[in-house]
Amino acid sequence: GEDVEQSLFLSVREGDSSVINCTYTDSSSTYLYWYKQEPGAGLQLLTYIFSNMDMKQDQRLTVLLNKKDKHLSLRIADTQTGDSAIYFCAESMRTGGFKTIFGAGTRLFVKA
Amino acid sequence: EPEVTQTPSHQVTQMGQEVILRCVPISNHLYFYWYRQILGQKVEFLVSFYNNEISEKSEIFDDQFSVERPDGSNFTLKIRSTKLEDSAMYFCASSESEARFAEAFFGQGTRLTVV
Repeated sequence: GEDVEQSLFLSVREGDSSVINCTYTDSSSTYLYWYKQEPGAGLQLLTYIFSNMDMKQDQRLTVLLNKKDKHLSLRIADTQTGDSAIYFCAESMRTGGFKTIFGAGTRLFVKA
Repeated sequence: EPEVTQTPSHQVTQMGQEVILRCVPISNHLYFYWYRQILGQKVEFLVSFYNNEISEKSEIFDDQFSVERPDGSNFTLKIRSTKLEDSAMYFCASSESEARFAEAFFGQGTRLTVV
């Protein structure tokens, strides 16, 4: 079945790079995403990548996709305390309509 | 900036009662979705809706759940007879088109507490 796995916690120092990893099982994924959720808030789409791409860069964010290994990563350069949040990896596929499967989320702690 | 609005932000209901969670998607969006997140667990897909009908639903979305677009602006999720395990954060989302599905916007969520 469809599943998305990611580690639960990551702690980095302010100014360092953060790398959050994710693996997924469904090779028919169309899009892969990274969402950010701050405490008590909704889901904010950070970035997404189409499944036929290898890499996408957007300012401090770099997404790498290894389709062969079904591995997705999010690198945040120059991590700031404001980046502390839960980061969800997700994949979507078309089965009639579209549906999105989320990972459990990685809680990023940024130490000053 | 356009946004998806959900009301109420928090709802407390007694077990067995019906609840309606409301969402106002972005005005030119045509595809609508509900997700839920039980505390400490994954965000789970419930249902997608297009052209006044359900286009996809998960196994969670059983007969207790229904969705409706009662007018041109609202999109609602109804739970007929709430159970304790329905307690969760419910997120509504909308997207402009299938081609722009990846750019779905999420609301801030409604926290449902069943007591």
